Amino acid sequence: QKEVEQDPGPLSVPEGAIVSLNCTYSNSAFQYFMWYRQYSRKGPELLMYTYSSGNKEDGRFTAQVDKSSKYISLFIRDSQPSDSATYLCAMSGSGTYKYIFGTGTRLKVLA
Amino acid sequence: GAVVSQHPSRVICKSGTSVKIECRSLDFQATTMFWYRQFPKQSLMLMATSNEGSKATYEQGVEKDKFLINHASLTLSTLTVTSAHPEDSSFYICSARPNRGGNIQYFGAGTRLSVL
Repeated sequence: QKEVEQDPGPLSVPEGAIVSLNCTYSNSAFQYFMWYRQYSRKGPELLMYTYSSGNKEDGRFTAQVDKSSKYISLFIRDSQPSDSATYLCAMSGSGTYKYIFGTGTRLKVLA
Repeated sequence: GAVVSQHPSRVICKSGTSVKIECRSLDFQATTMFWYRQFPKQSLMLMATSNEGSKATYEQGVEKDKFLINHASLTLSTLTVTSAHPEDSSFYICSARPNRGGNIQYFGAGTRLSVL
């Protein structure tokens, strides 16, 4: 079993839809939870950063962490074609700066 | 803020040559930087952790003599692929963790290496 599981997709949605992206994990020591967006042939871009449990909102993006279920989510409201990319979740525990990445979910927002 | 510059973005070289990739944090200091490798449609694979002023820490299975890392300043880390072969062709990405705290990594744009 991988430490971090993420559905690779692809996930296709119409423009304006609410997108839900998820990751599950097995290591209860994870404390830091990140979401990155990666366009083809580019480096990952940080979208959301959450420490421990709870929700965090930034514009059209909302990140949720449920440590009791070992489950994190990223919601994208009013999705746009420019949101079409691969979304990577990443996690890290206290005392280490190393990230464990999910496999990434390919998202396509159709105009 | 939090910009990481990676250069070059694309390199094509002949088998047997060495290639150097630079990773710079432009507006913050980073004692710790990371080097990743990414295969098509796959996630990022950590190759090594680069520590300013000390030796890099390599992940299991990564050849130290093949992938030389130097982190000589708080804003620059370099990865040298020595005696490159076609199997080294890949997308290499660096990241930097700001010294100001937290556990965030900011990534460079990546370098696509093609070894002929």
